[in-house]
Amino acid sequence: DAKTTQPNSMESNEEEPVHLPCNHSTISGTDYIHWYRQLPSQGPEYVIHGLTSNVNNRMASLAIAEDRKSSTLILHRATLRDAAVYYCIHDNAGNNRKLIWGLGTSLAVNP
Amino acid sequence: NAGVTQTPKFRILKIGQSMTLQCTQDMNHNYMYWYRQDPGMGLKLIYYSVGAGITDKGEVPNGYNVSRSTTEDFPLRLELAAPSQTSVYFCASGTGTTYEQYFGPGTRLTVT
Repeated sequence: DAKTTQPNSMESNEEEPVHLPCNHSTISGTDYIHWYRQLPSQGPEYVIHGLTSNVNNRMASLAIAEDRKSSTLILHRATLRDAAVYYCIHDNAGNNRKLIWGLGTSLAVNP
Repeated sequence: NAGVTQTPKFRILKIGQSMTLQCTQDMNHNYMYWYRQDPGMGLKLIYYSVGAGITDKGEVPNGYNVSRSTTEDFPLRLELAAPSQTSVYFCASGTGTTYEQYFGPGTRLTVT
């Protein structure tokens, strides 16, 4: 099964950048890397995804290592609303692209 | 757009009872998913569907059944509820092209 490794928790200060790391050493060449976040008592929310190149959207940036065995989600200016559990997932292209979720990183943002 | 809606929000069941968790999406998505999330854990896929009339098992399908008669609806049926099914249940939908999934607010189920 597709498996990722993330730190259990991280802390940041408001308005500072946050770099959330993820290792996915078993990723295959056609698996996408997805990031979701889950605010307290809510359903997960899509953040960003990529395959090989770095990606940017209105929420965040995704930096993917050249060997694709790791990636980093970058929040450019953390706000209190960004306090959530962040999940790094790679889909399983050989299994109908199902997402296998790990435990994620719990991000605390200090005012 | 309401997105993905789930009912009920909360439910308490006795052991052995049955119930159906409802999920509806108004985005015309072909792909729909049911997950469960136990406390402090990530999500586990129960069942998914790639279109009306097509369903398949995920990681943890035992004790559950699904059907997909329309694009909009994807109900999850629990037969003979057990305490191990106490969890928060999330429904999600997606286009199937980008594999981005949109989640509902969840149903918190307790089986006692």
